[in-house]
Amino acid sequence: SQQGEEDPQALSIQEGENATMNCSYKTSINNLQWYRQNSGRGLVHLILIRSNEREKHSGRLRVTLDTSKKSSSLLITASRAADTASYFCATGTGANSKLTFGKGITLSVRP
Amino acid sequence: DGGITQSPKYLFRKEGQNVTLSCEQNLNHDAMYWYRQDPGQGLRLIYYSQIVNDFQKGDIAEGYSVSREKKESFPLTVTSAQKNPTAFYLCASSVRLAPGYEQFFGPGTRLTVL
Repeated sequence: SQQGEEDPQALSIQEGENATMNCSYKTSINNLQWYRQNSGRGLVHLILIRSNEREKHSGRLRVTLDTSKKSSSLLITASRAADTASYFCATGTGANSKLTFGKGITLSVRP
Repeated sequence: DGGITQSPKYLFRKEGQNVTLSCEQNLNHDAMYWYRQDPGQGLRLIYYSQIVNDFQKGDIAEGYSVSREKKESFPLTVTSAQKNPTAFYLCASSVRLAPGYEQFFGPGTRLTVL
């Protein structure tokens, strides 16, 4: 079953602009993770935010989590053409549960 | 280098054949996973293992089988019972089976049925 759903499905921006991607989920979670996938490659972990955290930063990435709205956002600032990829959110519920991935957002950054 | 490897990168199968996809990790992780990805879709969990000699069905296990005889290895067999096996297959591992751990992914195997 799909827990996380990303929005929008596709996003196209100009290099230098900020990109904001959203993820909504249905049930309570322990934490939420964001991953990136370049075309035809495996996924790479970007950031993990726990249910008791509201915001985390990593370089040009900022992730927020609003448990009352059951949503998270991933902000990439000052985007680069190399940020072109698909981005997935993944949620974990119980203590020994596996992650559930959303369908992903395709980000295109135009040079 | 520590990491997770998958082979082959591309695999072609005739209808009715079983094929086995390899996944090896040297990260000393307990948990390993197999996912299937179809074009424009997210990842769907096929099987997972939280420890050697143990594995559990995921959301779409029908037509697939796995083994976990060694900690480092988690091969996936796509059997002839899988009616639509053409897809991109991803193997992953994590320190433990718990959502608080990040998953490390292999480069994937693209399987095509001829």
